[in-house]
Amino acid sequence: DAGITQSPRHKVTETGTPVTLRCHQTENHRYMYWYRQDPGHGLRLIHYSYGVKDTDKGEVSDGYSVSRSKTEDFLLTLESATSSQTSVYFCAISNDRTGNYEQYFGPGTRLTVT
Amino acid sequence: AQSVSQHNHHVILSEAASLELGCNYSYGGTVNLFWYVQYPGQHLQLLLKYFSGDPLVKGIKGFEAEFIKSKFSFNLRKPSVQWSDTAEYFCAVNAPFKAAGNKLTFGGGTRVLVKP
Repeated sequence: DAGITQSPRHKVTETGTPVTLRCHQTENHRYMYWYRQDPGHGLRLIHYSYGVKDTDKGEVSDGYSVSRSKTEDFLLTLESATSSQTSVYFCAISNDRTGNYEQYFGPGTRLTVT
Repeated sequence: AQSVSQHNHHVILSEAASLELGCNYSYGGTVNLFWYVQYPGQHLQLLLKYFSGDPLVKGIKGFEAEFIKSKFSFNLRKPSVQWSDTAEYFCAVNAPFKAAGNKLTFGGGTRVLVKP
């Protein structure tokens, strides 16, 4: 398994509070991604990063922000959590050095917003 | 925008039955194609991938997939399933090829239940 950890693994929070999820990799991969997984929707990309301090929006970025100050860490922040953000969040990494575009996934964070 | 369709949302099989899951994508150019599997309570793992060459791709655990460019399809197959194949399966496409970010677009997933 790729060296990807996510923290916390489970979190319950109240509507309106800020929440930060952390993804940490030990593979030195350039690309990092945040997805949310909801029944019937598969995985939807929230934000991604193609280098330190280089990030861009995915298809469901509203209400989320990200930061990447180090190669190994990619943070996802819910600025003011809403019940619609209750989901499972997965971090993924990808390496473009070999032309291999597959992504490797972390264990996920289950977030419940009450 | 690219889209990926998995037409079967739920599949129920008995052990030893054959499995075929459909995947269609909308992008007309060069693509990389993937099938991922998610076992209950676990993260996504790569089953197999197609980049180029032989359109029949073999993956782990006896799975294979066939890329049919004219049909924009990448269907997953397994001749004889086991109870341990119970999982959710996701098709994904990397397109446009080599676009910024190596982004993948995922299908909605197919839940497969194999009855012992």
